Amino acid sequence: SQKIEQNSEALNIQEGKTATLTCNYTNYSPAYLQWYRQDPGRGPVFLLLIRENEKEKRKERLKVTFDTTLKQSLFHITASQPADSATYLCAAYSGAGSYQLTFGKGTKLSVIP
Amino acid sequence: DVKVTQSSRYLVKRTGEKVFLECVQDMDHENMFWYRQDPGLGLRLIYFSYDVKMKEKGDIPEGYSVSREKKERFSLILESASTNQTSMYLCAGNKGSANTEAFFGQGTRLTVV
Repeated sequence: SQKIEQNSEALNIQEGKTATLTCNYTNYSPAYLQWYRQDPGRGPVFLLLIRENEKEKRKERLKVTFDTTLKQSLFHITASQPADSATYLCAAYSGAGSYQLTFGKGTKLSVIP
Repeated sequence: DVKVTQSSRYLVKRTGEKVFLECVQDMDHENMFWYRQDPGLGLRLIYFSYDVKMKEKGDIPEGYSVSREKKERFSLILESASTNQTSMYLCAGNKGSANTEAFFGQGTRLTVV
């Protein structure tokens, strides 16, 4: 079956360092991957979208890559700050023409001052 | 400002009750989704709708039904609530294509006792 997986449940990082989160997909090839941020008790908030033919996308301190060979997307936060502490989710539609938006389980990032 | 609004932030219901969770969006978006989120399991799709009166099962539809009589409103129904349906429920909406972001409501924390 089609899957989106974020293998790290939690990641702790020192303030100022670059955080790198991983999203892998199996048994399909999404044309787009999305990344969201979720704070405790709140709904996810969209951050970035990357197309399969884009190698990299940036927004301020955020960078997303899409490697169709490895079937993987990496999400980077440079110069991380305690305010970046949250759960980060990747998501994609389940196959061409599908309206079903599927999320990974998320990675909880903690930035330590 | 785009909004997805869920009718209740917290809800406590008794086992066997029929429960309605309401979601309204002001975005004129075609797609609407209902997810539940549980620790360690991430966001799991219950049902989604890509048009008025159209609905499709997600990954965990058992014990739930939905209704979409108007474009802006998508209701989740628990026909006979059970304790294993205690969870955070999240509604989302987006445009009907794979390259658009989803907008989430604030979530309803449902407790079934």
